[in-house]
Amino acid sequence: DQQVKQNSPSLSVQEGRISILNCDYTNSMFDYFLWYKKYPAEGPTFLISISSIKDKNEDGRFTVFLNKSAKHLSLHIVPSQPGDSAVYFCAARSEANNLFFGTGTRLTVIP
Amino acid sequence: GAGVSQTPSNKVTEKGKYVELRCDPISGHTALYWYRQSLGQGPEFLIYFQGTGAADDSGLPNDRFFAVRPEGSVSTLKIQRTERGDSAVYLCASSFSGTGVYEQYFGPGTRLTVT
Repeated sequence: DQQVKQNSPSLSVQEGRISILNCDYTNSMFDYFLWYKKYPAEGPTFLISISSIKDKNEDGRFTVFLNKSAKHLSLHIVPSQPGDSAVYFCAARSEANNLFFGTGTRLTVIP
Repeated sequence: GAGVSQTPSNKVTEKGKYVELRCDPISGHTALYWYRQSLGQGPEFLIYFQGTGAADDSGLPNDRFFAVRPEGSVSTLKIQRTERGDSAVYLCASSFSGTGVYEQYFGPGTRLTVT
């Protein structure tokens, strides 16, 4: 059973606008959440993370929001740039220090 | 500095054969992870090493899969009697460990195709 879900397989956004990628999880014991970005033929690259005791973490154009009661997190990218086009994976860390990944959302930023 | 490297980048093998996939972690990283990514899916956890020992191998799908890390650095994932369903990209990641949370750094993966 998928413990981390990304229900939107793809998203297209105009350059300069905000991209919002969503992620839902089922396990309330997850203590850390991460977003990874993946280009073709490369491994996932860490982007930004958030502890379960926080509700927001910001790093430049990237902000992650966590709503624990809804078991939902989102990644905001503003302004979006064509170089942001990639597949974005949401991941959650278990007590055993393993990561559970969602199925990914392919973001396309249109110039 | 050098990142996580994996060899080979691509491997094609016949059903029933044995394969070995290698991972060289970032120097100084004591934790090493193997994941498998099938088409259209996110990476799926297989096994986690802390030093030389497997701290958690609960993700290995069956006893045809085995991994070692004899000196606490390089790791080899071994698959016996390969099946077509084993076709996937096998990803390795490494991180620091200890108190605190450390991001996992991924290699480019090995694409395994079983014909």
